[in-house]
Amino acid sequence: QKEVEQDPGPLSVPEGAIVSLNCTYSNSAFQYFMWYRQYSRKGPELLMYTYSSGNKEDGRFTAQVDKSSKYISLFIRDSQPSDSATYLCAMSNTGNQFYFGTGTSLTVIP
Amino acid sequence: GAVVSQHPSRVICKSGTSVKIECRSLDFQATTMFWYRQFPKQSLMLMATSNEGSKATYEQGVEKDKFLINHASLTLSTLTVTSAHPEDSSFYICSATRLAGAPWTGELFFGEGSRLTVL
Repeated sequence: QKEVEQDPGPLSVPEGAIVSLNCTYSNSAFQYFMWYRQYSRKGPELLMYTYSSGNKEDGRFTAQVDKSSKYISLFIRDSQPSDSATYLCAMSNTGNQFYFGTGTSLTVIP
Repeated sequence: GAVVSQHPSRVICKSGTSVKIECRSLDFQATTMFWYRQFPKQSLMLMATSNEGSKATYEQGVEKDKFLINHASLTLSTLTVTSAHPEDSSFYICSATRLAGAPWTGELFFGEGSRLTVL
């Protein structure tokens, strides 16, 4: 079983839709959870960072962590064409090793 | 947010030559830097973990004599692809964690990536 599972998509939504991206994981020791956005031919950009369980909101983005279910989510409200990218989840326990999902490809259609 | 700068963003070289890629943390000290390789439409593949002042730890299957990693300071790590061949053509990305007082802040920042094309 992989440490982190993420549906690769692709996911297509109309502009203005709410997007839900998810990852599951197997290691209950993970405490640090991150979401990255990666445009084609660019390095991943850190979008959201959460420590332990709970929700975090930043503008149109909300990150949720449910440690009891080993499940994390990223919600994008009022999605825009500029949100079209690949979204990677990542997690870590100690900062010496990071585990990544395979990435979900998102297209927001104008 | 913290910034990691990677240079060059693109490089084209002839087969048999060596190429050096730099990764710098611009506004924080990075005790640990990571180097990844990414193929089109695939996820990140960790190549090695680099700790300042010590030898890099390479992932299984990564040739350490081919991919030389140096982490000489808290703000700079370099990846040198030695005697490059066309199969080494890829997108290489570095990342760095912020050195902070205990506890560790948990964030990981990426460089912009370097696209290597070996002719």
